[in-house]
Amino acid sequence: EIVMTQSPATLSVSPGERATLSCRASQSVSSNLAWYQQKPGQAPRLLIYAASTRATGIPARFSGSGSGTEFTLTISSLQSEDFAVYYCQQYNYWYSFGQGTTLEIK
Amino acid sequence: EVQLVESGGGLIQPGGSLRLSCAVSGFTVSSNYMTWVRQGPGKGLEWVSVIYSDGRTHYADSVKGRFTISRDNSKNTLFLQMNSLRADDTAVYYCARWGGATPFDYWGRGTPVTVST
Repeated sequence: EIVMTQSPATLSVSPGERATLSCRASQSVSSNLAWYQQKPGQAPRLLIYAASTRATGIPARFSGSGSGTEFTLTISSLQSEDFAVYYCQQYNYWYSFGQGTTLEIK
Repeated sequence: EVQLVESGGGLIQPGGSLRLSCAVSGFTVSSNYMTWVRQGPGKGLEWVSVIYSDGRTHYADSVKGRFTISRDNSKNTLFLQMNSLRADDTAVYYCARWGGATPFDYWGRGTPVTVST
């Protein structure tokens, strides 16, 4: 089983600032890495796949990078609607999610 | 417009069974990979099962031997038969499409399952 570890667990950032979220895989997942956003009471929404490709309709302020075992999701100039929980997911060998990073308003 | 609508959740006693459904519109279930993902109360996401377009299935170790994923092509519907339910199966269960190049690109709103006496 590939274990995904996200850091930090909670990130406090002011609107308009940049947020950087990290995800580490216990073994290489190549670029088979996705990021999801989840708001309370809602289903997750796909943001990024193939480590760096934005899904349809996702604003350009969301960007992903990394390969192998280390990945980053960057949100430039945070908007009020961006405060949510973010999950990374590997799909290189079956599927596993990280435990999530809560992005909260500072 | 793509829609996935789950149903069949509810309160069930430990050891009981439930069958979840996911009615899909906007794409053909049998032509796609379809998955179930669950989220325990206050917890993160856990992948449960997948059925591929060729009918092959795979399960997370936590549900293997107890859960069965299937589909009805005539109804364009995905199912999850859950047997021998345990308290730690309590979760909101989501169905999602694995869009090939785009993983888990469409999700339903989820159906809650509570396993308790």
